[in-house]
Amino acid sequence: DVVLTQSPATLSVTPGERISLSCRASESVDTYLHWYQQKPNESPRLLIKYASQSISGIPSRFSGSGSGTDFTLSINGVELEDLSIYYCQQGNSLPRTFGGGTKLELK
Amino acid sequence: QIQLVQSGPELKKPGESVKISCKASGYTFTDYAMHWVKQAPGKGLKWMGWINTYTGKPTYADDFKGRFVFSLEASASTANLQISNLKNEDTATYFCAREGDYGGPFDYWGQGVMVTVSS
Repeated sequence: DVVLTQSPATLSVTPGERISLSCRASESVDTYLHWYQQKPNESPRLLIKYASQSISGIPSRFSGSGSGTDFTLSINGVELEDLSIYYCQQGNSLPRTFGGGTKLELK
Repeated sequence: QIQLVQSGPELKKPGESVKISCKASGYTFTDYAMHWVKQAPGKGLKWMGWINTYTGKPTYADDFKGRFVFSLEASASTANLQISNLKNEDTATYFCAREGDYGGPFDYWGQGVMVTVSS
């Protein structure tokens, strides 16, 4: 199974700063890596697909990069509404797997 | 618009069974796979498996073989998850999610069903 390791587990942020979240795969997943945002008591929401492709309706401050085993989700100018948990997920092989998540909290 | 609407919360006793539904609308149901994801209270997302909505063939993650059954009512554009012999550790929110392309993202999600198992 592909293990996805997200870091950090928690990130304290100040509104307006640029941040990067990491997702590392135990083996190559090519670009079959997707990012989700989940707020309390809500379903996950797709943010980025195939490592770097944007999603309609998602603010342009969210971007993704990487391929193979190392991936990054960046938020350029964090806003208060971005305080959530972020998950990566791979679709390269079965079983599909999720990372453990990164929680953004207010500094 | 595309929607996945799941059934309501469930309170069950250990040993009982539960069936959760996920009704799709706004697209051709049989064109996209349906996946199931478990989220225990305060925990992350765990993939349970998927069902081919065209053939009806289910595939289960190792931790979900035996007591878990994915099924379809294709004529009603509905996917179902049945859990038998419920255990306390089955207490969780269960999401259905559509996979956009094979290997692609889960682009639409149901609202989730909270299943509570307690004596």
